[in-house]
Amino acid sequence: EVQLLESGGGLVQPGGSLRLSCAASGLTFSNRYAMSWVRQAPGKGLEWVSGISGSGGSTYYIDSVKGRFTISRDNSKNTLYLQMHSLRADDSAVYYCAKDPMPRVRGAFDVWGHGTMVTVSS
Amino acid sequence: QSALTQPPSVSGSPGQSVTISCTGTSSDFGNYNRVSWHQQAPGTAPKLILSDVTDRPSGVPDRFSGSKSGNTASLTISGLQPEDEADYYCVSYTNSSTLLFGGGTKLTVL
Repeated sequence: EVQLLESGGGLVQPGGSLRLSCAASGLTFSNRYAMSWVRQAPGKGLEWVSGISGSGGSTYYIDSVKGRFTISRDNSKNTLYLQMHSLRADDSAVYYCAKDPMPRVRGAFDVWGHGTMVTVSS
Repeated sequence: QSALTQPPSVSGSPGQSVTISCTGTSSDFGNYNRVSWHQQAPGTAPKLILSDVTDRPSGVPDRFSGSKSGNTASLTISGLQPEDEADYYCVSYTNSSTLLFGGGTKLTVL
């Protein structure tokens, strides 16, 4: 069974940093699959945050996180990352990693993780 | 960039059909038919139900169908079942090479 398992969430103060990880099992985390991070604030809708191509050569972000978040992947470790700096209260959300079935980011997420909660608060 | 526009809620009785719209600008949808729909039951992760406007993944009932006309994509659920009660989100690949979700629609099966 294909699974994505996020980790690294937690409580952090405004201005702080966190690194989220997403470990894939049951599939070869190859350059065939683009990956994304999608977040959901409590009681709110889904918001795509960032995506990375299968090779890792192309990365994409929403404007509100550009310069603060960095997406990366290590295909040899079957792991996706999201490094988050200068965190703000409005970054508080459940962060899901999600897999596209092709090398380019498309939003056809055929596998989702169960999410990791990030809370930014003093 | 604002979210794609979806009705906040729709409802229908078992056996009926409902349609959920997803409206944006030409830039939101780009020159592509890369619109997907995801279903999210309470307390669970989302699940893909349609990709590329009309394509159903294996295991998704054919009661779920999609279409797109101009800057509006639509999800139609025929023969409503109680287990269809969930939140539904459209997502589109944009001209900026980013993804944009709709605000979500809560489906209530009466």
